[in-house]
Amino acid sequence: RKEVEQDPGPFNVPEGATVAFNCTYSNSASQSFFWYRQDCRKEPKLLMSVYSSGNEDGRFTAQLNRASQYISLLIRDSKLSDSATYLCVVNGASGTYKYIFGTGTRLKVLA
Amino acid sequence: EPEVTQTPSHQVTQMGQEVILRCVPISNHLYFYWYRQILGQKVEFLVSFYNNEISEKSEIFDDQFSVERPDGSNFTLKIRSTKLEDSAMYFCASIGRGEANEKLFFGSGTQLSVL
Repeated sequence: RKEVEQDPGPFNVPEGATVAFNCTYSNSASQSFFWYRQDCRKEPKLLMSVYSSGNEDGRFTAQLNRASQYISLLIRDSKLSDSATYLCVVNGASGTYKYIFGTGTRLKVLA
Repeated sequence: EPEVTQTPSHQVTQMGQEVILRCVPISNHLYFYWYRQILGQKVEFLVSFYNNEISEKSEIFDDQFSVERPDGSNFTLKIRSTKLEDSAMYFCASIGRGEANEKLFFGSGTQLSVL
């Protein structure tokens, strides 16, 4: 099983749609979880951290399910500028500071 | 916001040549990383560095690779004898104190092309 697994997509959605991405991770002792956004040939940029209780930042909502070892990202009211690759990132178990990236899920928001 | 700086932005080299990729992490950060991303593929962990030594490395980080923090500000990745398959975008990253939920700060990357 891959350490961090994502559906690569692409997800093609119309403007205004709601879209959700999931990510699963294999190490049950993982400590920290993040969603990063990557535009073509640019560096990853933090979209949001994912907390145990779930968290929201404007149109973006992240959830963590430790029992099932997955995290999710929900984007409401999609905008053209949301078109990017969304990377699930998991920090390792206690004592390690290795951040592991999923393959990313590509989102295209269509006019 | 503070930035991680990488130079050069592009590097073209011949197979078998040595390259050094340079990074200036954020000044008060303590943990440093190199990642690489082959075109169309995932961001892959290469190595992490703390307290002037390697703390973790991946199977990709073989004897051809080395890292150094020569002067307290620069953090370099050296590839001794480049191969065609080393062509990739190399990202430097850093975090502060290694606390829970600390985000990785990335540089803008060096695109390495091995001919």
